[in-house]
Order: sequence, then C-alpha cells, then structure tokens
Amino acid sequence: SAVISQKPSRDICQRGTSLTIQCQVDSQVTMMFWYRQQPGQSLTLIATANQGSEATYESGFVIDKFPISRPNLTFSTLTVSNMSPEDSSIYLCSVEWDSEGGDEKLFFGSGTQLSVL
Amino acid sequence: AQSVTQLDSHVSVSEGTPVLLRCNYSSSYSPSLFWYVQHPNKGLQLLLKYTSAATLVKGINGFEAEFKKSETSFHLTKPSAHMSDAAEYFCVVSGGGNKLTFGTGTQLKVEL
Repeated sequence: SAVISQKPSRDICQRGTSLTIQCQVDSQVTMMFWYRQQPGQSLTLIATANQGSEATYESGFVIDKFPISRPNLTFSTLTVSNMSPEDSSIYLCSVEWDSEGGDEKLFFGSGTQLSVL
Repeated sequence: AQSVTQLDSHVSVSEGTPVLLRCNYSSSYSPSLFWYVQHPNKGLQLLLKYTSAATLVKGINGFEAEFKKSETSFHLTKPSAHMSDAAEYFCVVSGGGNKLTFGTGTQLKVEL
C-alpha cells in the first residue's frame, strides 16, 4: 500500500491569508487528487494534480483560488488562497496506487483540518 | 453521470449485533463501487472494492458488501459489530475515469 503524509494536520488561519498543504507519498504514483470535505458533508473532488503540467480542476474550483503544484511523482501541494470562513473544511490528498496484482486502489491522507476566522 | 445515496445518515447498533449500512447508486457506466471508513481524526481507509468480479465482496475487519445490479445497491454488512467499528462510512462510486463520487456518509454508533 501507499503511505501518505499530509501536513499540516490542522491549522487556524485569518481571513484573507493563504495556506499551503503538502502531500508526500512514499512511492511514485501517477495519479494524485485533492478533495474537500466541508463540515457535515461528503467529499468533493477539487482537482487532479498532474505531474509536469497544470492541474485539472472540477466544476466550481479554479486555479486562482486553489493553486496546485506537482513537481514530481511523490509530492504535491494545494494552496487555499485568500481564505474566507467558507473555506473551513478538511482537505484530503489522495493517490491511486497499483498493487502488484494490478488492482488499483485509492489511498487517502489523514487530512488537513482548516478553520478560517 | 453517476451518483450515490446512503440511505441512513446515522445507524446505531449494540455490540455483537449485525451491521447493515445501505447504499444505492446510479451510473452510466459499469461502476466500480467502494466502501471507505473514516475514524475520528484519521484518514479514509478502504474497506472493500467491487469491480465487476464476484458480486459478494469481502473486505477488512469482517465487513462485506453485495453488489445487486437489479436493485442498484451495494449495502455493507458485518455479522457482529465491535466497539472499534464506530466511525463514519462512505459509499463511493466510480463510473468512468478516475472520478469518485462520494455518498454523504453514515455515522455508525456501537453501544454496549
């Protein structure tokens, strides 16, 4: 399985500031994703982080608000820019990992609990 | 298009009794279906996955789920609940590409 380290685990930020969340995987993975889980709700895909090219954003999410970097096959960052209280959520990094048997599985980081005051 | 509906937002069982968490899906493709569990302050953990092989899928920690195409259901079951099973459970569908659609979650409470 893939081991994902996500930092920070939680943060409290002021309105108007930005926070960068890091996701480190212990194996090279092709697909990395960023999800948001708003309070009391399910997970929503923000974007697919593409290595060496711009991220692919889902409807309702834009690069200016959620810039993503993917410099290599084991690391990605998500920045939440110009934060407002509505951005208070859990943000999760996810990777698709192929087992030796060819069975693809998704693994998730432990998440970043973000509170915006 | 794809969607998933978890029919119960909260389920409460006594320790040692069976668990049933219900999930219905819709998908334009032959779907892959998953159940994930999220313990407090922990990441999401894959319980089991269905990908058009056997319709009865066995997962970790004694959980299993049965894919029923005629009912478009993928309910999660466990014969005997344990206190450590208390968590939030998500039913997830993947109908094409790598995009997952999550259900709204079912909070499982296990009482003594």
